[in-house]
Amino acid sequence: KQKVTQIPAALSVPEGENLVLNCSFTDSAIYNLQWFRQDPGKGLTSLLLIQSSQREQTSGRLNASLDKSSGRSTLYIAASQPGDSATYLCAVMGNNNDMRFGAGTRLTVKP
Amino acid sequence: EPEVTQTPSHQVTQMGQEVILRCVPISNHLYFYWYRQILGQKVEFLVSFYNNEISEKSEIFDDQFSVERPDGSNFTLKIRSTKLEDSAMYFCASRHPGLADSTDTQYFGPGTRLTVL
Repeated sequence: KQKVTQIPAALSVPEGENLVLNCSFTDSAIYNLQWFRQDPGKGLTSLLLIQSSQREQTSGRLNASLDKSSGRSTLYIAASQPGDSATYLCAVMGNNNDMRFGAGTRLTVKP
Repeated sequence: EPEVTQTPSHQVTQMGQEVILRCVPISNHLYFYWYRQILGQKVEFLVSFYNNEISEKSEIFDDQFSVERPDGSNFTLKIRSTKLEDSAMYFCASRHPGLADSTDTQYFGPGTRLTVL
């Protein structure tokens, strides 16, 4: 069974810093990997999706990379802002149409 | 922009009662999912559904759970006899059958908070 791990569990940075969130997964036979944002008590907002054949995706200040063979993905956030404060979730979709989530990284960006 | 909707937003029930959680996926999507998130814990996959049948289910999705697409728009999750430990936020999601492009994104509804007393 796919196991997804996210490090660190929590991160606090001053506004303006660039930061990297890490995700690792145990089974490299994946269909795609998706990064989500979750605000307290809210649903999930999709940030970026990387297909298994891709190496990275970019959207605005966000860049996600995928190294399938080593079972790793990173989410890079440039020039962080207080509005980026949320929990970031990494989720891996298997070839069996199931999606497994990491426990998330809780990010706080201080003004 | 199209979105996934879920009703009710909050459901309170007594232990042992049956509940049905409802979802309306995005209209041209063909893959549907249910997840749950117990307070303070990770999002957990329950079941995926495609072409009117379950395509994958997790170890959580036991005989107490069932899913149905009763018409062309709704997707429901039924819990037959609720337990205290079923208290959680339940999320529905849907996906476009795109291949190898960004439309393969799963879009999530806002969730239904289920409280079992």
